[in-house]
Amino acid sequence: DADVTQTPRNRITKTGKRIMLECSQTKGHDRMYWYRQDPGLGLRLIYYSFDVKDINKGEISDGYSVSRQAQAKFSLSLESAIPNQTALYFCATSDRIDQPQHFGDGTRLSIL
Amino acid sequence: RKEVEQDPGPFNVPEGATVAFNCTYSNSASQSFFWYRQDCRKEPKLLMSVYSSGNEDGRFTAQLNRASQYISLLIRDSKLSDSATYLCVVSPGTYKYIFGTGTRLKVLA
Repeated sequence: DADVTQTPRNRITKTGKRIMLECSQTKGHDRMYWYRQDPGLGLRLIYYSFDVKDINKGEISDGYSVSRQAQAKFSLSLESAIPNQTALYFCATSDRIDQPQHFGDGTRLSIL
Repeated sequence: RKEVEQDPGPFNVPEGATVAFNCTYSNSASQSFFWYRQDCRKEPKLLMSVYSSGNEDGRFTAQLNRASQYISLLIRDSKLSDSATYLCVVSPGTYKYIFGTGTRLKVLA
C-alpha cells in the first residue's frame, strides 16, 4: 500500500463546482503539503500544515482552502472551481525540513 | 532571478553515456538539497539527498558546491529507464521546499 494516498486520481468537473481532494498518509509525519504542477512552472505550494492546529498559506492559496482532520489526513478544497485551476495536484509529507518529502500519486483535475 | 534554476533540456544521450545536470540556487542560507525523478505526469520520487561531502548511490553521484551555489547530478552508464525529468529541490531551512522546473533526460537506444 502507498504511504501517501490521494483521492480521487482523476476528476473532471464544471466551472463553479465545489471539489475536495483528499490525502492520507501512513508515514506518521507531522508536516503535510499541497502543491499544484503546471507545465513549465514546476511545483507550487498551495497550503502546508505542521500539525492539526497549524495551517499556513503557501504562494498560491487564493481560491483554495484546506482542512487537517487528523495527523494523517489533509484535504484540499476548491470552493468554486475555475478553468485555470486545471492542473496536476500533489500531496506530500515530510518528517523534518531537512528531510525529503514523500509524494502521493497525484490528482489530475480538469475544470471545464 | 529564480530561486532554483535548471536547464530544461532535453538532454538526449545514447545508452551507456555519462550525463551531468547542474542546478543553481539563489539563497546562500539554503540548508538541504535533494534530487527527485519524475516520470511523465507521475509523482516526483526521491532519487537522493545531497550531502556537503558529495554522495553516490550506484550509478548516480550528487555534489554540492556552496561557494558557487549549485548542486549537480551525474549519471553514469545511462539506461533507457533513466529517461525522465530530474527535479532539483532546495530547502532554505524554514517551512518550504523550492523546486526547480526540471531537466528532461532522454536516453536513446
